[in-house]
Amino acid sequence: SQELEQSPQSLIVQEGKNLTINCTSSKTLYGLYWYKQKYGEGLIFLMMLQKGGEEKSHEKITAKLDEKKQQSSLHITASQPSHAGIYLCGADFSGSARQLTFGSGTQLTVLP
Amino acid sequence: DTAVSQTPKYLVTQMGNDKSIKCEQNLGHDTMYWYKQDSKKFLKIMFSYNNKELIINETVPNRFSPKSPDKAHLNLHINSLELGDSAVYFCASSPDRLYNEQFFGPGTRLTVL
Repeated sequence: SQELEQSPQSLIVQEGKNLTINCTSSKTLYGLYWYKQKYGEGLIFLMMLQKGGEEKSHEKITAKLDEKKQQSSLHITASQPSHAGIYLCGADFSGSARQLTFGSGTQLTVLP
Repeated sequence: DTAVSQTPKYLVTQMGNDKSIKCEQNLGHDTMYWYKQDSKKFLKIMFSYNNKELIINETVPNRFSPKSPDKAHLNLHINSLELGDSAVYFCASSPDRLYNEQFFGPGTRLTVL
C-alpha cells in the first residue's frame, strides 16, 4: 500500500546484532500494529501503539510510535535465529481497528 | 484449542473450477476477516463480517463470495478460478472493541493451474 511504506524490504543480520525496521504512513494513524509471520504460518500479534510518543517492549523487541503518529519503528536487540521471519506493520486509519492496511513486510534473516 | 482454524491448508485446482475455504474461530469474537497475501507478501483485506453482517467489502471480483452461517464461521467461496487468484488466503477474527488485535489463522495456499 502506498499509504504505508515499510523498510527495509529485507534484512540479513548476524546473530547478536541489533536491528530496526521502519513503518511510515502518509496519514495520521489511529493505531499501529506490529505482526510477525513465520514461513507457512499465520500472523502473530506483537504489539499495538496508539498514542503519540508511545513505546512498548516485549522481551527483546521494542516498538515506538512518533509524536506525529505517522511513523513507527520496531527495534530488536541482540537478535537470535528465533527472530527470523516477516515483520508486518498494520495501520488503523479509520479508528475502528476493523480495517487494517498492511505494509509490504520486512523479511528478516538472522545468521547463526 | 486452535483459536482460528482454516481448511484446507493447501488447495491446488484447475482454472475455471469453483472452490471454498472454511474458517472457524473459537474465541467468541464478533468480527471476522478474509485477507489475500500475494507472492510479494503484500497482505490486503478482502472482506469483514461483524455478527454475520458484511461490513467491509473491498474491491474484489464478484467471483469471491463470503458466507457467514454464524458468528464463529466465515467461509470464502470462489467461482471460476483464475491464475491470478493464486495466493495465500488468511482468515482472522477480532473482538468488537476499538484498538484490538486481530487473530490470524494459519492460511490457505491456493494454487490455480
